[in-house]
Amino acid sequence: NAGVTQTPKFRVLKTGQSMTLLCAQDMNHEYMYWYRQDPGMGLRLIHYSVGEGTTAKGEVPDGYNVSRLKKQNFLLGLESAAPSQTSVYFCASMSRRQETQYFGPGTRLLVL
Amino acid sequence: GQQLNQSPQSMFIQEGEDVSMNCTSSSIFNTWLWYKQDPGEGPVLLIALYKAGELTSNGRLTAQFGITRKDSFLNISASIPSDVGIYFCAGPSDRGSTLGRLYFGRGTQLTVWP
Repeated sequence: NAGVTQTPKFRVLKTGQSMTLLCAQDMNHEYMYWYRQDPGMGLRLIHYSVGEGTTAKGEVPDGYNVSRLKKQNFLLGLESAAPSQTSVYFCASMSRRQETQYFGPGTRLLVL
Repeated sequence: GQQLNQSPQSMFIQEGEDVSMNCTSSSIFNTWLWYKQDPGEGPVLLIALYKAGELTSNGRLTAQFGITRKDSFLNISASIPSDVGIYFCAGPSDRGSTLGRLYFGRGTQLTVWP
């Protein structure tokens, strides 16, 4: 039981490049989330999903897109990376029967 | 959205000291959660509180669900160097339109000097 895994762990992009971050969970959780964490800002919700095929915007969705084609996977895409998207990205999942989110180890993204 | 105000923002203490931090909300929460984030890791749940007035312990950690349901407190007794990290409070949305969302405080950065 690996819990929540994220790939890649670290990535450097040039401005304008695109990339996809992958989150996978093996706990059969219904809900999945993408957060970004910046110094002094805590965890800010980008997008989330309450089920396969559904997504919703969080606090800071601009510049990101997501997809939840399979229950266990939640993808976060950056179509045209900007330096302001330099951050640490965390994925989380949660069972709808609990109110506890389980987090992945994070992806550190640097946009030059 | 619902706002969680967490204080203090940072703490620098000596090993063996006790630590207190708190979280307040502009609206009522039915659940309070406390997470810890070790350096370079994702947050991990420490304590969950489900009832107003509830006092729950997990080793040297004790958390309380405020009577007004708008606040919560976390205490760490006899701190040790491995207590270093960021502590977050969190609470779930109670609105149907944002079902499944957790609101997080901005965190308390704890540094423990040996």
